[in-house]
Formats: sequence, structure tokens, C-alpha cells
Amino acid sequence: AQKITQTQPGMFVQEKEAVTLDCTYDTSDQSYGLFWYKQPSSGEMIFLIYQGSYDEQNATEGRYSLNFQKARKSANLVISASQLGDSAMYFCAMRDLNNAGKSTFGDGTTLTVKP
Amino acid sequence: DGGITQSPKYLFRKEGQNVTLSCEQNLNHDAMYWYRQDPGQGLRLIYYSQIVNDFQKGDIAEGYSVSREKKESFPLTVTSAQKNPTAFYLCASSIVGGQGPYEQYFGPGTRLTVT
Repeated sequence: AQKITQTQPGMFVQEKEAVTLDCTYDTSDQSYGLFWYKQPSSGEMIFLIYQGSYDEQNATEGRYSLNFQKARKSANLVISASQLGDSAMYFCAMRDLNNAGKSTFGDGTTLTVKP
Repeated sequence: DGGITQSPKYLFRKEGQNVTLSCEQNLNHDAMYWYRQDPGQGLRLIYYSQIVNDFQKGDIAEGYSVSREKKESFPLTVTSAQKNPTAFYLCASSIVGGQGPYEQYFGPGTRLTVT
């Protein structure tokens, strides 16, 4: 079975500073993907970044980077130069790449960016 | 513009009534999903479908039913057997197979309140 753990229910960061949101996972699958999504207060889920289990390099997308440590089973999201618009809930998720239905989300971290 | 539409945005029903939530996508994705989100929590998978006329139960399928008669449409019925139906419901779609990254595209959600 898959499991995602996000241990930080809430985080605060000063505008323009960097912040790391933690995510650890557990799975017996060999081929899996790790995802981060952002959910603003309006409720829609926005895809941020993806890391495949076989990717050797950490993924980056603009101000977002994923610190992937396979041996530790962690996939932390780093947001650089935080903006007020980054205030939202952030979810870590994983999916078995051989089974579209095996998709698991963590409980999320609420990030608040302070001016 | 391609995307996922869910209607209505807010839905109110009396206890004991069945209610159907609409989900339509024009992304030509094979896989579609229904998730439930309770306040302050992550997403839990209700049902998913990887192909027309086929679908599988997720982690919390009891009290729900779905159909997949067309590739574009994946309606969810919340039956009177669902004990705590009040929640935020999100529909998603994704590609399957190929090279990935297989991220899910989400609709805006339907907030269901049953009294």
C-alpha cells in the first residue's frame, strides 16, 4: 500500500524567503511518480511539479524544486523567493506509474506567507 | 480551452435523497477520478476509471456509484447510503501510459451539503 506523510500541518514564511515543505512516502512499487499540488482557498488543485522514481536529477519548475532523496523516501518541496500568492494548502501525492488508479495524497501543509 | 468542468459549484440536498455530480473533460484523457475532501484534510479516492465502460473502487467507494459511458464524462452519484455525504468533491483526469509525467488535472470542485 502507498502512504504519504506530511508532518507540518502549518508553516509560516516571510515574503521573499525560501521555504521547505516536507513529504515522506512509503510504497512497494518500483515505478512511481511523486507530485506536488497547490490548493488556494478557492479549492481548485494546481499541479506544481513532478518527480519520477527513476529520475536521477531533482525536478525544478520556476521557483519550485523537489528535493528527492530516494533512499530516505522523501520528496520535499522547496519554494524560493516566497510571494504572498503562495499562501495556500500544499499536497504531496504519489502514483504507481503502472496503475493509474493507485494514487495517494497526503493530508497537506498550510503555508502562510507574511508580508 | 481544454479543461475539466464540474457542476454545480454548490449543491444542497435533503438527507435520504440521491444526488449526481457532473464531471466533463475535453482533454482527451483516458483516466478519470473522483475524490472527496473533508475540511482540513487531504483527498481520498472514491472511484476511478481508465477506460470507457470500466471503473474501479477507490478507498472510500461505499455509498457512491459512477458510470463511464463516454470518454468525456464521469458522473458521480452520492446515494442515501453514504452516511456523511457533506464534503468537497473533486473530479480529475490524466493520461495513462506513455512517458508521463501523468499529473492529474482537476476540476473546480462541487461543495455538497446534505441536511
